[in-house]
Amino acid sequence: QKEVEQDPGPLSVPEGAIVSLNCTYSNSAFQYFMWYRQYSRKGPELLMYTYSSGNKEDGRFTAQVDKSSKYISLFIRDSQPSDSATYLCAIRDYKLSFGAGTTVTVRA
Amino acid sequence: DVKVTQSSRYLVKRTGEKVFLECVQDMDHENMFWYRQDPGLGLRLIYFSYDVKMKEKGDIPEGYSVSREKKERFSLILESASTNQTSMYLCASSLWQGLNTEAFFGQGTRLTVV
Repeated sequence: QKEVEQDPGPLSVPEGAIVSLNCTYSNSAFQYFMWYRQYSRKGPELLMYTYSSGNKEDGRFTAQVDKSSKYISLFIRDSQPSDSATYLCAIRDYKLSFGAGTTVTVRA
Repeated sequence: DVKVTQSSRYLVKRTGEKVFLECVQDMDHENMFWYRQDPGLGLRLIYFSYDVKMKEKGDIPEGYSVSREKKERFSLILESASTNQTSMYLCASSLWQGLNTEAFFGQGTRLTVV
């Protein structure tokens, strides 16, 4: 079983919509949860991280961890065309493991 | 500025060749990683290293080996390249202290094996 599972999409939304991205993970002991953003022909960059459970907000982005259901989420409010990218969830234990990534396109 | 540099952006090699992919970081990070990225499969961990001369297998180590002789350099070696190793290869480094959990990636090497 993979440590973290993510629906690869793709996802296409109109500008201004809320984007909702989700992952599930396998090991309840995981504590570090991350979202990376990858633009075309670039390496991934850390967008947000959460330690343990709860919510974290940064501008238009909100990351949530629900440890009871082993579910992590990323929400993008008021989405912009510049948000078009691949979003990868990741967990860290003694290594760094990624989901499949969801390609998001925000249509102007 | 934090920097992870991969030696080539694009590489074309023949089946059976020995291929070296080089990665250098300038941040004095302990941890370094090699991933391959394929459509629909995300980033899959090939090998990682948490110290000089140390290496650990990731999820898909078969057909690959690594070398870390110096802290700043982590090399991925394809012993005998095959067409199913055509992929985007990404190197990353990190320093995991306390809640610092960020990994920094290079630009990637697009390897085509013909």
